[in-house]
Amino acid sequence: DQQVKQNSPSLSVQEGRISILNCDYTNSMFDYFLWYKKYPAEGPTFLISISSIKDKNEDGRFTVFLNKSAKHLSLHIVPSQPGDSAVYFCAARGNNAGNMLTFGGGTRLMVKP
Amino acid sequence: GAGVSQTPSNKVTEKGKYVELRCDPISGHTALYWYRQSLGQGPEFLIYFQGTGAADDSGLPNDRFFAVRPEGSVSTLKIQRTERGDSAVYLCASSYFVNTEAFFGQGTRLTVV
Repeated sequence: DQQVKQNSPSLSVQEGRISILNCDYTNSMFDYFLWYKKYPAEGPTFLISISSIKDKNEDGRFTVFLNKSAKHLSLHIVPSQPGDSAVYFCAARGNNAGNMLTFGGGTRLMVKP
Repeated sequence: GAGVSQTPSNKVTEKGKYVELRCDPISGHTALYWYRQSLGQGPEFLIYFQGTGAADDSGLPNDRFFAVRPEGSVSTLKIQRTERGDSAVYLCASSYFVNTEAFFGQGTRLTVV
């Protein structure tokens, strides 16, 4: 069973607008959440994270929101830029998981100029 | 470079053959992880090392898969009697300590024909 799900396989956004990528999880033992960005032929690159004790974390154009009661998190990118076009993975970790990450299936973001 | 290095970048092998995939972590990183990413899916955890020992190998799919890290640095993922279903991108990541940010290599694309 998929413990981390990204239900939108792709998203297309106009440059300058907001991109919102969503992620749902089922395991209530997850206490740390991360977003990774992946370009073709490269490994995933860490983007931003959030601990379960927070509901928001912001870093420049990127903000992650966590709704623990709904077991839902989202990544907001504003304003979106063409260089943001990539596959975005949501990942989660439990407090005793030794940094083992459980990933969602990814969302391909395309930012059109 | 200073990042995680994986060799080879691509490997094509015949069904039933044995393969070894190598990972050179970032110098000084004590934790090393292997993940497997099948087409259209997110990375799936295979095994992680803390130093020389495998701290968690619960993600290895069966006993054809084995990984070593004899000196606490370079790791080798070994797959015996390869099957077509083993075709995937094998990702390695390292982190300074467990539960600190993990950095991924570019992956090895394994194709079993």
